Amino acid sequence: QLQLQESGPGLVKPSETLSLTCSVSGGSITSTNYYWGWIRQPPGKGLEWIGSIYYSGNTYYNPSLQSRVTISVDASKNQFSLNLTSVTAADTAVFYCASLKYSTSRYFDYWGQGTLVTVSP
Amino acid sequence: SSELTQDPAVSVALGQTVRITCQGDSLRRYYASWYQQKPGQAPILVMYSKNSRPSGIPDRFSGSSSGNTASLTITGAQAEDEADYYCNSRISSGHLYVFGTGTKVTVL
Repeated sequence: QLQLQESGPGLVKPSETLSLTCSVSGGSITSTNYYWGWIRQPPGKGLEWIGSIYYSGNTYYNPSLQSRVTISVDASKNQFSLNLTSVTAADTAVFYCASLKYSTSRYFDYWGQGTLVTVSP
Repeated sequence: SSELTQDPAVSVALGQTVRITCQGDSLRRYYASWYQQKPGQAPILVMYSKNSRPSGIPDRFSGSSSGNTASLTITGAQAEDEADYYCNSRISSGHLYVFGTGTKVTVL
């Protein structure tokens, strides 16, 4: 069973870059059955898909965030990462990493516990 | 449209049946998946591929789909089913994703 764990700063200043890493255990990030994704949830609001990456580096991003988002993968560490630039208070959210099952159906089957990132001076 | 619309809130009496719906154009082409989220917790997958349950999800949860609407039904709702529920689907070329607006289920 896959386990995912987010890590990174809990506080980021406005206009700076938010950087988070997701560590994957219980399976290989190079599995051909999975993409790997980031999802966020502002306090009291719903879920928003940020983007997904395949171990080869293929990435797909939410069009609303595409200009500010970069997702990368480090297969040697079994990790993938999120960078979100030029953050504002509106980017304050719980950030989740998740495994995206890549079959005839696509679904997020395993999730990290989430990490709260606050954007504040 | 790339949106998935859900009713904001529904309530169900203990032991009764509740259906949660998700509407969107993408559902005519792609199956929805469903996620349960309790306060302070990460979402968990409860339904995928129209009507498949992950291991450990009770069989009182079932899924269906017709046209632009996907549904998650809880038959014999239990107190522990009180949570927020989100649908999700691929959109556009199939590599982008969107979550529904979420439905808060209250078990009375």
